[in-house]
Amino acid sequence: DGGITQSPKYLFRKEGQNVTLSCEQNLNHDAMYWYRQDPGQGLRLIYYSQIVNDFQKGDIAEGYSVSREKKESFPLTVTSAQKNPTAFYLCASDGPAIGQPQHFGDGTRLSIL
Amino acid sequence: AQSVAQPEDQVNVAEGNPLTVKCTYSVSGNPYLFWYVQYPNRGLQFLLKYITGDNLVKGSYGFEAEFNKSQTSFHLKKPSALVSDSALYFCAVRDITNNLFFGTGTRLTVIP
Repeated sequence: DGGITQSPKYLFRKEGQNVTLSCEQNLNHDAMYWYRQDPGQGLRLIYYSQIVNDFQKGDIAEGYSVSREKKESFPLTVTSAQKNPTAFYLCASDGPAIGQPQHFGDGTRLSIL
Repeated sequence: AQSVAQPEDQVNVAEGNPLTVKCTYSVSGNPYLFWYVQYPNRGLQFLLKYITGDNLVKGSYGFEAEFNKSQTSFHLKKPSALVSDSALYFCAVRDITNNLFFGTGTRLTVIP
């Protein structure tokens, strides 16, 4: 079955540490997205990529970085500059046609030790 | 500016009763509207969408939604609620630039 795989499911970060969240898709989608979900705030866009080797900042990109070296993969790094990283992180992808729904992975929950 | 509003943080309904989860939107041009459901510690699952055509859209798990252009609304409905429908529901709108905007979510609780 085609889908999006996020790993790990749970992640803990120490002070001053960078951590990387993995997102892999086998849907052959060009576009991929990272969202942050906090209670009562819905989803906020961190970064998105419409094509390999290109990505754009979303609404809350500070303290995060991404890469898109392969179509299937869009890893997110939460850097030590992100002072409040505790959240649920969701990766999504979609195809080029307007009106296509985004497909989501099952998320990574990041907590601070 | 594009936006989506879900005016109710929480909706409670008795099992077997009809349910409605409200959504209003603001977007330039024709809207592309979506509903998603999220179960605890899971990603969002697509339920249904409105692109064009019939104002009543049918989706997964017996859900449907009614597009009302004059009221800029896209309310999610189900004739008979199940306990298993209890979850977090998100409305989303896509504009002509293909950007997707989410509402803040509505938690539905179906009471046995």
